[in-house]
Formats: sequence, structure tokens, C-alpha cells
Amino acid sequence: GQQVMQIPQYQHVQEGEDFTTYCNSSTTLSNIQWYKQRPGGHPVFLIQLVKSGEVKKQKRLTFQFGEAKKNSSLHITATQTTDVGTYFCAGRNGNTPLVFGKGTRLSVIA
Amino acid sequence: NAGVTQTPKFQVLKTGQSMTLQCAQDMNHNSMYWYRQDPGMGLRLIYYSASEGTTDKGEVPNGYNVSRLNKREFSLRLESAAPSQTSVYFCASSERPNYGYTFGSGTRLTVV
Repeated sequence: GQQVMQIPQYQHVQEGEDFTTYCNSSTTLSNIQWYKQRPGGHPVFLIQLVKSGEVKKQKRLTFQFGEAKKNSSLHITATQTTDVGTYFCAGRNGNTPLVFGKGTRLSVIA
Repeated sequence: NAGVTQTPKFQVLKTGQSMTLQCAQDMNHNSMYWYRQDPGMGLRLIYYSASEGTTDKGEVPNGYNVSRLNKREFSLRLESAAPSQTSVYFCASSERPNYGYTFGSGTRLTVV
């Protein structure tokens, strides 16, 4: 079955440093989504990427979808303590349900 | 707007007991999902309902059953709870299968 791998599993950064998490799929994806889960909370939808090579920005967050539609990345510029949480990528092929990666837990040291 | 509401928020069961986790959404979404989240395992799909009247197995359906009661409600039943079912359970919904998901706040279940 479809698998979505995400690295790194954990990342500790100083406040103000940049952060990147990477997502790779074993198969070509129709689209990829990113979610954020704060400690003790539930996943919250951030964005969906659909097109090959697509790049989208949300303030300090930059999302990319690879040309082959098998990988994606989330980059946060100048992290803040409010960025703390676990970031999940989730992909699908066609109209099948999302398959989630295991997430990257981000800690920000003030 | 409430979004996706899950009940209960916490539950402790003894091995062999049964229970039903309730989920309701008020966004008129067509698709609903049940995921479980375990440390280091991410979110794994148990069952889903692409539209009212349909249900399908996900990645880890064993030990669970579901009912799509109507468009708003999608329940998850554990017939005979086992310690391996200790987890946080999330219900989610989406307008259509290829749209973003809205998650409920989760049910933390412990089976002793």
C-alpha cells in the first residue's frame, strides 16, 4: 500500500532559526496536505498542494510539491515559540483517504 | 460553529468491555473518517465513509466496527476492548474526499 515517510522525526531549534521537514511517498500523489498538531491538541489543516512543482507561502511557512509529485517539504523561516508542535504531511492517490506520515515534532528553545 | 464534536473526551475500559465513540459534524460534509494516533506511529486510518450510506475499511480495521448513522454522525464501536486499543482516537470530516480534513478534539481511550 501507499506509504508516506517523513523526516526528521524530531527537530530542536533555537528561536529565530529556520526549520524544514521533508515528506516522501512510495507512489505518485494526486495531492499532498500539511497539518499542524499542537501538544495535546488535534491536527489542523494548513494547506493542500496539487500541481507538480507547486510552491505556496503562508507568512513564514513555505510549502513545496516536487516535480515528480512524490515528495514535499515545509520550511519555516525564523521560528517562533508559537511554531511548536508536530507537523504532518498526508498524501493521497485519486479519491482514496489521506495517508499520513509519522510527523516531525518541532521544539523551539527561546 | 462546533465543527466536529467527539464524545467522550476520556474513557477507561476494562479488557473485554464494549463501547461506542460518537462523532458528529455540523458542516454538511460528505466524508467522515476515524483515525487512531499512537506515539511514534502518526495517524492511522481505521474506517472511513466517503458518503452517507457507505463505509470502508482503512489500514487498521480489526477489532472495530462503524456506523454512518446519517450525514452528520459517524460512530466507532469497540465490541471487546483490548489493551492494544489504548490510543487517542480522532474523527475527521471533509466536504469531499480530496478536500482538507477537519478533526475533532479526540477521545483518549485507555484499556486496562
